[in-house]
Amino acid sequence: EPEVTQTPSHQVTQMGQEVILRCVPISNHLYFYWYRQILGQKVEFLVSFYNNEISEKSEIFDDQFSVERPDGSNFTLKIRSTKLEDSAMYFCASRGLAGGQSSYNEQFFGPGTRLTVL
Amino acid sequence: ILNVEQSPQSLHVQEGDSTNFTCSFPSSNFYALHWYRWETAKSPEALFVMTLNGDEKKKGRISATLNTKEGYSYLYIKGSQPEDSATYLCASVNAGNNRKLIWGLGTSLAVNP
Repeated sequence: EPEVTQTPSHQVTQMGQEVILRCVPISNHLYFYWYRQILGQKVEFLVSFYNNEISEKSEIFDDQFSVERPDGSNFTLKIRSTKLEDSAMYFCASRGLAGGQSSYNEQFFGPGTRLTVL
Repeated sequence: ILNVEQSPQSLHVQEGDSTNFTCSFPSSNFYALHWYRWETAKSPEALFVMTLNGDEKKKGRISATLNTKEGYSYLYIKGSQPEDSATYLCASVNAGNNRKLIWGLGTSLAVNP
């Protein structure tokens, strides 16, 4: 069964360093998302991506964040200069279209990358 | 209601007990309501997607109902088993092109054998 994969599963970095979180969405999906969950808090929407551009982003997704789909397979989230408060579990999700392999409404999630900023 | 809220925050039951959780969400501009089951270190697993008022869905011992007019959904587990232990998340989707999910905090269920 197709699944969303994410690497690494755990990333530890120093404050101020750049990190890139990687996701491989389900191959025929067209909509891509990043969410994050700070420990003890709700899962929060960060950004959605469609047709090679950001379709919506939250207030959290400031200039320090960027997303890319460099090769038609990977979907990456970059944090340029990490802060302590960026420590969270980051989830990638992808969604297809009605009539395709998955239902229109359903987003499929990866297992997450736990980012720890020291 | 402006946010998605879930209750209770955590629940401990004995094997064989039936249980239910509540998710409340903004009823205006509603499009869909998702329930996910999430175990640590695993991907959140989609349980149900519901869109219509009065929808009832069932998967094995787990079922869910939806009331879009008043903005709530119930998730029921009949005869809880230890393998049901997980966090159950609900997420609401508003009408619009991006279908971003707005999440509740989750209900953490522990089923004791």
